Amino acid sequence: GAVVSQHPSWVICKSGTSVKIECRSLDFQATTMFWYRQFPKQSLMLMATSNEGSKATYEQGVEKDKFLINHASLTLSTLTVTSAHPEDSSFYICSARFSLQETQYFGPGTRLLVL
Amino acid sequence: GQQLNQSPQSMFIQEGEDVSMNCTSSSIFNTWLWYKQDPGEGPVLLIALYKAGELTSNGRLTAQFGITRKDSFLNISASIPSDVGIYFCAGRQKKSSGDKLTFGTGTRLAVRP
Repeated sequence: GAVVSQHPSWVICKSGTSVKIECRSLDFQATTMFWYRQFPKQSLMLMATSNEGSKATYEQGVEKDKFLINHASLTLSTLTVTSAHPEDSSFYICSARFSLQETQYFGPGTRLLVL
Repeated sequence: GQQLNQSPQSMFIQEGEDVSMNCTSSSIFNTWLWYKQDPGEGPVLLIALYKAGELTSNGRLTAQFGITRKDSFLNISASIPSDVGIYFCAGRQKKSSGDKLTFGTGTRLAVRP
């Protein structure tokens, strides 16, 4: 299957700082990328959908000014958690999809801990 | 956001036993997907179902897309220790705002050697 990578795999930061997470599709061009958040022992919740070259579409309840998403190329999307607080601590997972196929391929996730 | 109901929530079985889990929704989906997630990892696709009534196998795994398009089940035969993990169903709907997946609540599987 297609490969999606995320960097970093884990990050610890102080409250109030910003954290950037990268998502890359390594062997295909992904016109659509998705960002999910998963709290312990819970399911994946979609945060936003991003299409290359256009603004991301955020799910209801997700603050777009706090979770900045950039999808500048067909192989890279970034999620920046601005002014992070302890309640933002979670497992962030991206996924990528070919433009004409239905399958989403998921990255390995990034664990964020805000102190 | 919307979630699909999965059952059971967790299972603790003996190696070699068969496993069955299902997923139900009040909404219709065009595609049903089953993923497995290991601790600290992202979900990995196991089986994708595209038509109502479709029955698909992948090794020891078998999944079916319900006739009503509101449910799906996954069976694992002759379980082995590496089957341990969390299994998620996901439904896909086509919307004017774009396609997206809705995930189930997950079934946590433990296998006793």
